[in-house]
Amino acid sequence: AQKVTQAQTEISVVEKEDVTLDCVYETRDTTYYLFWYKQPPSGELVFLIRRNSFDEQNEISGRYSWNFQKSTSSFNFTITASQVVDSAVYFCALGDFYNQGGKLIFGQGTELSVKP
Amino acid sequence: DTGVSQNPRHKITKRGQNVTFRCDPISEHNRLYWYRQTLGQGPEFLTYFQNEAQLEKSRLLSDRFSAERPKGSFSTLEIQRTEQGDSAMYLCASSYDEGEHYEQYFGPGTRLTVT
Repeated sequence: AQKVTQAQTEISVVEKEDVTLDCVYETRDTTYYLFWYKQPPSGELVFLIRRNSFDEQNEISGRYSWNFQKSTSSFNFTITASQVVDSAVYFCALGDFYNQGGKLIFGQGTELSVKP
Repeated sequence: DTGVSQNPRHKITKRGQNVTFRCDPISEHNRLYWYRQTLGQGPEFLTYFQNEAQLEKSRLLSDRFSAERPKGSFSTLEIQRTEQGDSAMYLCASSYDEGEHYEQYFGPGTRLTVT
């Protein structure tokens, strides 16, 4: 069965701290997609990143970075120098590679609170 | 380019009533997805369309739920004989299945409250 686990339900940090959100997934597929989405208080899910399972290069985009380790089935997300605007619920999701993503299997989300 | 839009944004209905939601995807996107999200949970897949064809339905989608995408553009999700357990946020997403970008872009959702 396919499953995504985000063990951290809530994280609270003070502005400018670095924070890492964990994501562990289970799948029998050898090739798949992984995604991160952000859901701010306004409610609309915002796409952050897509990663193919055969590409294990880490990625950095501004203050955001992602660490993909296929050996441990993890796809962790780090925010450097967090800001109040980063406060949101973050979801990790698993998608079907051979179906151009297909239906997404989401984790339960991690609620990040960044305090000034 | 406008994003995914959903109407209505909020719906309050009494148990046993039928409700219908509409989703307008991003115009060039040929795939359209419906998800349901309850408080404190991640979105759960309900069904998706490629153009007009409904390609997959979740076992979560009981016989009271039906979705259509008649002309491959907008989609409707109908819930018949609503139950209190149907109270949730119903999310629509769209994507394009060619090229290299398959990301799903989500609409603002329709929040359903069944009293």
